[in-house]
Amino acid sequence: DAGVTQSPTHLIKTRGQQVTLRCSPKSGHDTVSWYQQALGQGPQFIFQYYEEEERQRGNFPDRFSGHQFPNYSSELNVNALLLGDSALYLCASSLAYFRAISTDTQYFGPGTRLTVL
Amino acid sequence: DAKTTQPNSMESNEEEPVHLPCNHSTISGTDYIHWYRQLPSQGPEYVIHGLTSNVNNRMASLAIAEDRKSSTLILHRATLRDAAVYYCILKMRAQKLVFGQGTRLTINP
Repeated sequence: DAGVTQSPTHLIKTRGQQVTLRCSPKSGHDTVSWYQQALGQGPQFIFQYYEEEERQRGNFPDRFSGHQFPNYSSELNVNALLLGDSALYLCASSLAYFRAISTDTQYFGPGTRLTVL
Repeated sequence: DAKTTQPNSMESNEEEPVHLPCNHSTISGTDYIHWYRQLPSQGPEYVIHGLTSNVNNRMASLAIAEDRKSSTLILHRATLRDAAVYYCILKMRAQKLVFGQGTRLTINP
């Protein structure tokens, strides 16, 4: 049973460019969340997608946008990259809370390391 | 978001039990107590969660104080592979995970 997969593993971009990161959820999961983790910090919630709609959003600017496809996979797009966007981007999948047996445990992928020069 | 307080770091020896404390004095009645850990160069990994009663699974045990204002994650017999950052998180169902700084656990051989 494949877990959460993310691509690419590493990415180097320059300031002002745009980037797209991809995530495939764990088999059977329908909800995808994205997190940003700066070096030495805990992950910060960006947003969550369910039924192809953004359901929750953290304190991130509109430069961060996402999409969820009918097969539940998801993309994170970041426009006009800044040096401060350099981080590990984590995708987590879960079952919608009303489907989960007890609570919506999240399963994380290995992340995409984005470096902005 | 309800806050948790954890020690920045802890150290233990291989094959000994480890008790990781977490304080959450502002916990609400609908907050679940979740523990995740993050091994070096990996994404966070779910460890255990509970609401009111103590919980056990194959990875760890969670001891919850009677007033729910604190909890302890117990690793019964630490191995080198348990070296990680451990996050204690309060979470209502369907809400996002809010990570703090966590506790960096070092295991000595």
